[in-house]
Amino acid sequence: DAGVIQSPRHEVTEMGQEVTLRCKPISGHNSLFWYRQTMMRGLELLIYFNNNVPIDDSGMPEDRFSAKMPNASFSTLKIQPSEPRDSAVYFCASSSYLGQGGETQYFGPGTRLLVL
Amino acid sequence: AQSVTQLDSHVSVSEGTPVLLRCNYSSSYSPSLFWYVQHPNKGLQLLLKYTSAATLVKGINGFEAEFKKSETSFHLTKPSAHMSDAAEYFCVVSVGQGGKLIFGQGTELSVKP
Repeated sequence: DAGVIQSPRHEVTEMGQEVTLRCKPISGHNSLFWYRQTMMRGLELLIYFNNNVPIDDSGMPEDRFSAKMPNASFSTLKIQPSEPRDSAVYFCASSSYLGQGGETQYFGPGTRLLVL
Repeated sequence: AQSVTQLDSHVSVSEGTPVLLRCNYSSSYSPSLFWYVQHPNKGLQLLLKYTSAATLVKGINGFEAEFKKSETSFHLTKPSAHMSDAAEYFCVVSVGQGGKLIFGQGTELSVKP
């Protein structure tokens, strides 16, 4: 399997622009997670989906952030408008959710976002 | 509420000496615990996982961790450090049944020649 695929790997944009990050989970996995990693705050869970349905979006920082999962093989995280404080590495992870907790999450390589 | 605390933000060892990365957890029930490793500019890779089976868990690359309920600890060890072990290590607890993970702040491991 190719693992979790994220695109783009690097993104540089100007403040106010729309940014779209993409994720393809491992085939057969039914849970998908979006994380943000910064030096100041470490790794934070933004949102996660089970069977394409958003379950917990309490980590989404504000209304400028939105995430969708239109099907089992694709998800997007959108920031509109972007701000310099959104600069971070954004990770996508997927797992095979069995309803018991403790399932292993497999991480993508991340998207390094810089907002000027 | 579930949480993890990594007791050291940075650990430095010499190549060939033992590694100990400390983690304490807080959980209202029997937790699932993980250690992940992140090499520079890379994603996170699972090292090992505890899910209420054997308390001593063996992982990849010679790492292991022991779950100690009485001490609420899940320390990561390796008998002999290698230069390639230099990375950031995260202790992680699983929260609830939805698969949500809570990450510690990370421990940066440096390995000196």
